[in-house]
Amino acid sequence: QVTLKESGPVLVKPTETLTLTCTVSGFSLSNARMGVSWIRQPPGKALEWLAHIFSNDEKSYSTSLKSRLTISKDTSKSQVVLTMTNMDPVDTATYYCARIRMTTVTTYWFDPWGQGTLVTVSS
Amino acid sequence: QSVLTQPPSASGTPGQRVTISCSGSSSNIGSNTVNWYQQLPGTAPKLLIYSNNQRPSGVPDRFSGSKSGTSASLAISGLQSEDEADYYCAAWDDSLNGDYVFGTGTKVTVL
Repeated sequence: QVTLKESGPVLVKPTETLTLTCTVSGFSLSNARMGVSWIRQPPGKALEWLAHIFSNDEKSYSTSLKSRLTISKDTSKSQVVLTMTNMDPVDTATYYCARIRMTTVTTYWFDPWGQGTLVTVSS
Repeated sequence: QSVLTQPPSASGTPGQRVTISCSGSSSNIGSNTVNWYQQLPGTAPKLLIYSNNQRPSGVPDRFSGSKSGTSASLAISGLQSEDEADYYCAAWDDSLNGDYVFGTGTKVTVL
């Protein structure tokens, strides 16, 4: 059974750096045609893709957030880490990680998703 | 900053057919495949349709997807009370550096 679980702080202060960890089980981060993405959802709003990392370590970031994001993986620990700098109250959201299944680098989908973790940005 | 446009809401009575549209452009739906996700209240999204019209195992066949040009649609036939949820379309967008974009979301209500 494939599962993903997000962990990290529930509260961060403005200007701080957020570090989130996604721990996966049931598959390896080195599996071909797989990867992990981070997606977030502000309360009551739509989903927003943040970044992905593939098994070959190829990475991609949201154009609008690229300067603030870093994604990395530790295959031995089955973990994917996302850091987001200079946090602001508008970054308050539930942050999800999800496994990527792909046929090409632009033909992929998320299945399954983690349960999500709510991060609040407030002083 | 959703670049895929969906109607905010849709509704139907049990047993009816409901269709949700997803409008994009040549850089996303027009050149890449579309996926659909279902988000039940208070839960994480779940994959419903991938590669325009493929259903993952376990997804009932009353859910179907299609794509034409720069638009896509999700149809729910034989609507059931447990289908009440938010639905999102999504696709890769080739513009700028490339982004995976989601739709604005549609809330389906079973009357």
